[in-house]
Amino acid sequence: KQEVTQIPAALSVPEGENLVLNCSFTDSAIYNLQWFRQDPGKGLTSLLLIQSSQREQTSGRLNASLDKSSGRSTLYIAASQPGDSATYLCAVPNTGNQFYFGTGTSLTVIP
Amino acid sequence: GAGVSQSPSNKVTEKGKDVELRCDPISGHTALYWYRQSLGQGLEFLIYFQGNSAPDKSGLPSDRFSAERTGGSVSTLTIQRTQQEDSAVYLCASSLRPGVTEAFFGQGTRLTVV
Repeated sequence: KQEVTQIPAALSVPEGENLVLNCSFTDSAIYNLQWFRQDPGKGLTSLLLIQSSQREQTSGRLNASLDKSSGRSTLYIAASQPGDSATYLCAVPNTGNQFYFGTGTSLTVIP
Repeated sequence: GAGVSQSPSNKVTEKGKDVELRCDPISGHTALYWYRQSLGQGLEFLIYFQGNSAPDKSGLPSDRFSAERTGGSVSTLTIQRTQQEDSAVYLCASSLRPGVTEAFFGQGTRLTVV
């Protein structure tokens, strides 16, 4: 069974700082990896989908990288803003029936 | 619709009552997922629908839980004889090509059993 781990569990940074969130998975035979953010009391918002054949995917200030062989993905957030404060989740699908989610990183950006 | 729609957004029910939660996926998305998120916990897979195939019910926690998807579109998750441990946020997601394309989540239904 796929196991997904996210480190750190919580992170607090001053506004403007660049930061990296980490996601690791045990089974490297993945189709893709998706990063989400979740605001308190809300659903999940898709941020980036990175296919297994890709090394990187970028959207605005966000950059996701994927290293399948080592079972790792990182989400890089440039020039962090208070509005980035949320919980960030990574997820990998198995053959399609379900997603395996990490436990999330709770990010606080201090103005 | 533009996104995945779930209703109601909040539901308070008495222990022992039945509840129905609704999910309206993005038009054309063949895959539909239900997840549960208990307070301070991660996401727990419940059930998966793909087109006309038999659903994957392997995540349903007990026989009090059931779900159906009518016409390959709207899905209803039913919880019978609710218990306090059923209190959670129930999230629905849909995807155009499962395992390939992005999954999009609704805003969830917060269920409170009192």
